[in-house]
Amino acid sequence: GENVEQHPSTLSVQEGDSAVIKCTYSDSASNYFPWYKQELGKGPQLIIDIRSNVGEKKDQRIAVTLNKTAKHFSLHITETQPEDSAVYFCAASKADFGNEKLTFGTGTRLTIIP
Amino acid sequence: DARVTQTPRDKVTEMGQEVTMRCQPILGHNTVFWYRQTMMQGLELLAYFRNRAPLDDSGMPKDRFSAEMPDATLATLKIQPSEPRDSAVYFCASGTGRGEETQYFGPGTRLLVL
Repeated sequence: GENVEQHPSTLSVQEGDSAVIKCTYSDSASNYFPWYKQELGKGPQLIIDIRSNVGEKKDQRIAVTLNKTAKHFSLHITETQPEDSAVYFCAASKADFGNEKLTFGTGTRLTIIP
Repeated sequence: DARVTQTPRDKVTEMGQEVTMRCQPILGHNTVFWYRQTMMQGLELLAYFRNRAPLDDSGMPKDRFSAEMPDATLATLKIQPSEPRDSAVYFCASGTGRGEETQYFGPGTRLLVL
């Protein structure tokens, strides 16, 4: 089955600086890669996703890049703000109809230092 | 604002007792997922349903766990008998199941088995 590794497990950055979280996956058939943000006491919330026919996607301060050859994808947060502090999870799936199972990475606890 | 709802939010019980967790998926979503989150194991998929039928419950301990969808607006996860190692946060998520992969998570049920 799919295996997703995520690094680093913890990350502290100064407010205003950029943060990068990286994930690798094992199954070359995976074609859907979402990123979730989980705040304390809440469920994970989707913040951005990318499909394997796209190399990069951006939404305001958040961007995701995908390298299918190397089987890795990354989350980039620019101009970080205190409200970006949370745990971030990457995930992968073979998003064929009837097979939406997500395999999650182990999470990155991001702390923004004011 | 359509959201997945879960009850109860918190549950403390004694070992051996039955625990029932409930989830109301977003109206119109026909795919429901149950996850368990612990510090040691991260986010694990326990089971998922489409149109109320179980598609995959391979992640669920069959001897004590059971998952059902009595109707399209209610999913249940039961543990009988509960054990201290079941202590975790249990999340429900729903999706449209129409070839779209996005999963929308509920706030979770925090379970503590003493």
